[in-house]
Amino acid sequence: QQQVKQSPQSLIVQKGGISIINCAYENTAFDYFPWYQQFPGKGPALLIAIRPDVSEKKEGRFTISFNKSAKQFSLHIMDSQPGDSATYFCAATSGTYKYIFGTGTRLKVLA
Amino acid sequence: DAGVIQSPRHEVTEMGQEVTLRCKPISGHNSLFWYRQTMMRGLELLIYFNNNVPIDDSGMPEDRFSAKMPNASFSTLKIQPSEPRDSAVYFCASSLRQGWTTDTQYFGPGTRLTVL
Repeated sequence: QQQVKQSPQSLIVQKGGISIINCAYENTAFDYFPWYQQFPGKGPALLIAIRPDVSEKKEGRFTISFNKSAKQFSLHIMDSQPGDSATYFCAATSGTYKYIFGTGTRLKVLA
Repeated sequence: DAGVIQSPRHEVTEMGQEVTLRCKPISGHNSLFWYRQTMMRGLELLIYFNNNVPIDDSGMPEDRFSAKMPNASFSTLKIQPSEPRDSAVYFCASSLRQGWTTDTQYFGPGTRLTVL
């Protein structure tokens, strides 16, 4: 119930392509879904976040799509760039500081 | 702002030794978190402090782990005695307010601990 399942584990995309990372959850009490980006040797950093009352949120090339009925949400990176190569984590929480993180997706964007 | 500062960045120790990890949160932040990251278990919350008081230590794996926050600008995570299975990257994070859901958690660069 408390898990957030993330896929794929790794992803290789050509420069300019679209990267898509998916997450699924079971706990319907989750009400906040952030995505974190982590570069090698660095800590995770908040990238973008969404609440379940909207179906999509866009910030620059990054978009979260949210499907409440399916209990799924995904991160889309448009026009992917080599600088986007990092590990991406989805997370979920139900009104508290306690985030449940996905297992991470290692993205590599080829130049 | 320098962000969350952690030290050391790398620690290699032998089984049975005491290990102390240090964290300086962002100035003015009231909440502090310690996380552990492993390949097997991903990112796990170990303990949460608010205004220097431990609020939730349910993620601390066992009594060998302890954490303190003597003042608003310093926290330690201690492992005594350390075991090989404690090898992981330990992150400290801080947030501005009382750990509200939408309060961004700012992570430090982490300490990579290897216990031989």
